[in-house]
Amino acid sequence: DGGITQSPKYLFRKEGQNVTLSCEQNLNHDAMYWYRQDPGQGLRLIYYSQIVNDFQKGDIAEGYSVSREKKESFPLTVTSAQKNPTAFYLCASSIGLAGGVTQYFGPGTRLTVL
Amino acid sequence: AQKITQTQPGMFVQEKEAVTLDCTYDTSDPSYGLFWYKQPSSGEMIFLIYQGSYDQQNATEGRYSLNFQKARKSANLVISASQLGDSAMYFCAMREGDEGAQKLVFGQGTRLTINP
Repeated sequence: DGGITQSPKYLFRKEGQNVTLSCEQNLNHDAMYWYRQDPGQGLRLIYYSQIVNDFQKGDIAEGYSVSREKKESFPLTVTSAQKNPTAFYLCASSIGLAGGVTQYFGPGTRLTVL
Repeated sequence: AQKITQTQPGMFVQEKEAVTLDCTYDTSDPSYGLFWYKQPSSGEMIFLIYQGSYDQQNATEGRYSLNFQKARKSANLVISASQLGDSAMYFCAMREGDEGAQKLVFGQGTRLTINP
């Protein structure tokens, strides 16, 4: 089945540690995105990538880093510089510049900093 | 200023009734797109419906329709014949610029509860 997978579903981190969230898609989509959702809030864009080996900052990129070495994969690293990382993280993908504006989402990763 | 405003934090509706979820937007770009997503308690965002700013007709997808009033900058979601499974958070989102622009801005959401 085609889709977007995120792992792990739940992640616990100690303060001061970096942690990497996985996002993989087999939809052959060019564009991928990372969003953060805080309780009772909408989604905010962290980073996005329209093509392999290229990515741009979203609205709240500070304290996060990404890479896009493969079309299928767009991992997000939450660094110790992110002051309040506890949140729900959602990855999405879309066809990209070739056409098709709809973003499809993965199931999300819930990160808790202890 | 908020780009997307959803003024209803919560809505309660009887099963089988129609429900309208409000969304207003703010943009000066003539080319934009509007989306509605459903987020059940599991957390996944499910795409429901899309309306482009140049589309002449209101979008429809099964029980979902989008009441697009461009002059009022309004893009309300209408769910006909509501079902218990429609209970979820609903988010309105906007893409500004032409279809090469991929960034979405989301509203705060509306929690819809369908009562039996």
